Amino acid sequence: GAVVSQHPSWVICKSGTSVKIECRSLDFQATTMFWYRQFPKQSLMLMATSNEGSKATYEQGVEKDKFLINHASLTLSTLTVTSAHPEDSSFYICSARGTASQPQHFGDGTRLSIL
Amino acid sequence: GQQLNQSPQSMFIQEGEDVSMNCTSSSIFNTWLWYKQDPGEGPVLLIALYKAGELTSNGRLTAQFGITRKDSFLNISASIPSDVGIYFCAGQLSSGTYKYIFGTGTRLKVLA
Repeated sequence: GAVVSQHPSWVICKSGTSVKIECRSLDFQATTMFWYRQFPKQSLMLMATSNEGSKATYEQGVEKDKFLINHASLTLSTLTVTSAHPEDSSFYICSARGTASQPQHFGDGTRLSIL
Repeated sequence: GQQLNQSPQSMFIQEGEDVSMNCTSSSIFNTWLWYKQDPGEGPVLLIALYKAGELTSNGRLTAQFGITRKDSFLNISASIPSDVGIYFCAGQLSSGTYKYIFGTGTRLKVLA
């Protein structure tokens, strides 16, 4: 149980393009989803926390207008990187949990490369 | 962003040896989680700890929730080549957003 699916797993696009990443909880209802960014050989850095039906809470230094998060249902959250530039290239990983006392489970990540 | 201190940063060990790693923080957590991440994939949950002093095992892995609630330990016994990867601890804050703070990671390499 507790499977989280993330799509796409890999995307390459031109600078200026907007990219949408989906995160789905397949066998449980995700009250909360988290979006992380990970640079090579580094730890996971939390970008934002989203609760179903409400606006995401962004971490300090993360641009809300740059990284649009939608959590419209208990099984789906999306991260849209708007007008992406090469410096946005990274490994983006989502996670989901049911209640606050349950552990978060991760998707397999999306490798984003902006040319 | 906030991170936990995790040590060691990396280690090379011989197959069959035991491994220990730990995480420490100045903050109090109400949950500790340990994950393993393979290259190009998302972290996979290994062990979850919910009470101070709790000792939990998952096969060859054993983790403990420190009494002070500011640290946690992970031990791997009789390591095998497939234990290679990066191990992360994560602590859940006891108030506010209940978000998780991740450790800096321990990169494990096992020599056959």
